[in-house]
Amino acid sequence: AQSVTQPDIHITVSEGASLELRCNYSYGATPYLFWYVQSPGQGLQLLLKYFSGDTLVQGIKGFEAEFKRSQSSFNLRKPSVHWSDAAEYFCAVGARTGTASKLTFGTGTRLQVTL
Amino acid sequence: NAGVTQTPKFQVLKTGQSMTLQCAQDMNHEYMSWYRQDPGMGLRLIHYSVGAGITDQGEVPNGYNVSRSTTEDFPLRLLSAAPSQTSVYFCASSVSREVYEQYFGPGTRLTVT
Repeated sequence: AQSVTQPDIHITVSEGASLELRCNYSYGATPYLFWYVQSPGQGLQLLLKYFSGDTLVQGIKGFEAEFKRSQSSFNLRKPSVHWSDAAEYFCAVGARTGTASKLTFGTGTRLQVTL
Repeated sequence: NAGVTQTPKFQVLKTGQSMTLQCAQDMNHEYMSWYRQDPGMGLRLIHYSVGAGITDQGEVPNGYNVSRSTTEDFPLRLLSAAPSQTSVYFCASSVSREVYEQYFGPGTRLTVT
């Protein structure tokens, strides 16, 4: 069965600093990988996704992620963080289970941005 | 388009009460699902549906029922609420069972006392 590990529960960065959120997955085949963001009291919004092709994917809000098969990782990066990026970030892997596709989520990383 | 809508936003129940969480989408999506979100556990799949009249269980289905009589609506029923069902519930949809990109509703925060 697939699984996702986000080793950092909480990260604090200064506004303007670079950001990297870690994600490791376990899945036997080529994975479909996602990053979602959740602002306080809100639902989840898709930041970016990887299905195949170029291993560096660009998303919304200036985020990017790099798929590294050898490391089973899909880390999220942003060169310069803005205070509005403070939120919780979830990595997810998609897989076919039973009659449909299924997303398995990591436990999330909460990002705090200091001014 | 309103996207995925959920009602109510907040609900407090007593142990043993029943209730239905509503979910609707106006995107003509085939696939709909329910997740619960608990601190430190991410999101876990409760039930899902690949089309009207078709539902299946996810990881944590016990204590919940679903039905899908129309493409648009996918209600989640709590039969006899328990404190362990205190959680935030999210409904999501995607174009088809083959598409992994899901759109999420704003969530329902449920407290069972």
